[in-house]
Amino acid sequence: NAGVTQTPKFRVLKTGQSMTLLCAQDMNHEYMYWYRQDPGMGLRLIHYSVGEGTTAKGEVPDGYNVSRLKKQNFLLGLESAAPSQTSVYFCASRPTSASSYEQYFGPGTRLTVT
Amino acid sequence: EDQVTQSPEALRLQEGESSSLNCSYTVSGLRGLFWYRQDPGKGPEFLFTLYSAGEEKEKERLKATLTKKESFLHITAPKPEDSATYLCAVLFQKLVFGTGTRLLVSP
Repeated sequence: NAGVTQTPKFRVLKTGQSMTLLCAQDMNHEYMYWYRQDPGMGLRLIHYSVGEGTTAKGEVPDGYNVSRLKKQNFLLGLESAAPSQTSVYFCASRPTSASSYEQYFGPGTRLTVT
Repeated sequence: EDQVTQSPEALRLQEGESSSLNCSYTVSGLRGLFWYRQDPGKGPEFLFTLYSAGEEKEKERLKATLTKKESFLHITAPKPEDSATYLCAVLFQKLVFGTGTRLLVSP
């Protein structure tokens, strides 16, 4: 099993450009998450999904959109990138079990917006 | 506001020198506390889940404990390969991550 994979690993954007980050998991997990990690701050939740076709806002959703058309994929979109969105983005997933909250993370995407 | 604080921010140990990392939280209604390890340029890797005060979990040289207001990650006789950033996360109504402790173990 590959676990959680993310594409691309690195990207540089100019202000105003758009892009989509792809997350894929092969563990048949229902829950998927997008986080951003910035120096000196804990991981912050951008959006999440509790199943195929569902999405919900997290702590810092502004400037991002998401889609979950297939259970195994969770896409994060930036419509008009801003320098404040320079960060490392992590996708995570977890099973639905009520007794298991641990999340499994992908390797991350390092995004720089100039 | 619910907060999670990890200390110290950074810790340098000699190989074999045992120590502890701290994760304290201000919250009511704790539903779980998680420890993760993060290597440079990689995503966090799950280590432990603790659900109630008094609970302990062990894995190799790591032992996690939980009280009503904090958790400790004890590292016994660390090796250089234990060097990483250790994150804790606390589940209340949402999952809140601390900023991590950067551990460097020198040979």
